[in-house]
Amino acid sequence: NAGVMQNPRHLVRRRGQEARLRCSPMKGHSHVYWYRQLPEEGLKFMVYLQKENIIDESGMPKERFSAEFPKEGPSILRIQQVVRGDSAAYFCASSSTSGSGADTQYFGPGTRLTVL
Amino acid sequence: AQSVTQPDIHITVSEGASLELRCNYSYGATPYLFWYVQSPGQGLQLLLKYFSGDTLVQGIKGFEAEFKRSQSSFNLRKPSVHWSDAAEYFCAVGGYNFNKFYFGSGTKLNVKP
Repeated sequence: NAGVMQNPRHLVRRRGQEARLRCSPMKGHSHVYWYRQLPEEGLKFMVYLQKENIIDESGMPKERFSAEFPKEGPSILRIQQVVRGDSAAYFCASSSTSGSGADTQYFGPGTRLTVL
Repeated sequence: AQSVTQPDIHITVSEGASLELRCNYSYGATPYLFWYVQSPGQGLQLLLKYFSGDTLVQGIKGFEAEFKRSQSSFNLRKPSVHWSDAAEYFCAVGGYNFNKFYFGSGTKLNVKP
């Protein structure tokens, strides 16, 4: 059973470009979470999605960031007009049941975004 | 508000020595507690979790953690550290009335030969 897949693993963008990060949850998991890890810091929650629904986006910056989890295909975290402060590791996690904080979340390998 | 504190940023132990990594949480109800390990440039691997029941939890790679409600702590232990345990360790708290994890800032473990 494959784990959580994320691609690309590394992404380099120039300021002002768009970054698209993809996440395929574990088989049978319908809950996806995105976290951001800034250098030398822990993970910070960004957004929680179920298929075709954003459930909680309280950790997502109000501008330039968006996320989706379509009926078919991976979840996408999109960052428009990237700035140097967006440089970070972005982790996706998935869980199988209710999507509450009581569920074990399984993490992907992350996408390391570098903004030049 | 929920939060997790890992007071030790860096810890160095000798190979074969015992290890304890500290984690304190703040949460008003029954917490669900997790320890993850992150090797450099890698994702997070689940070491162990506490939901309920026995307060001493066994995990993978010989790790264990003890939940102490009175101290709001969930410290991670290993009796004999191996060089391959060098990594960063994160404690996280979850709960039924919210749908995200709160992570501590991590503890970097260095293992001396």
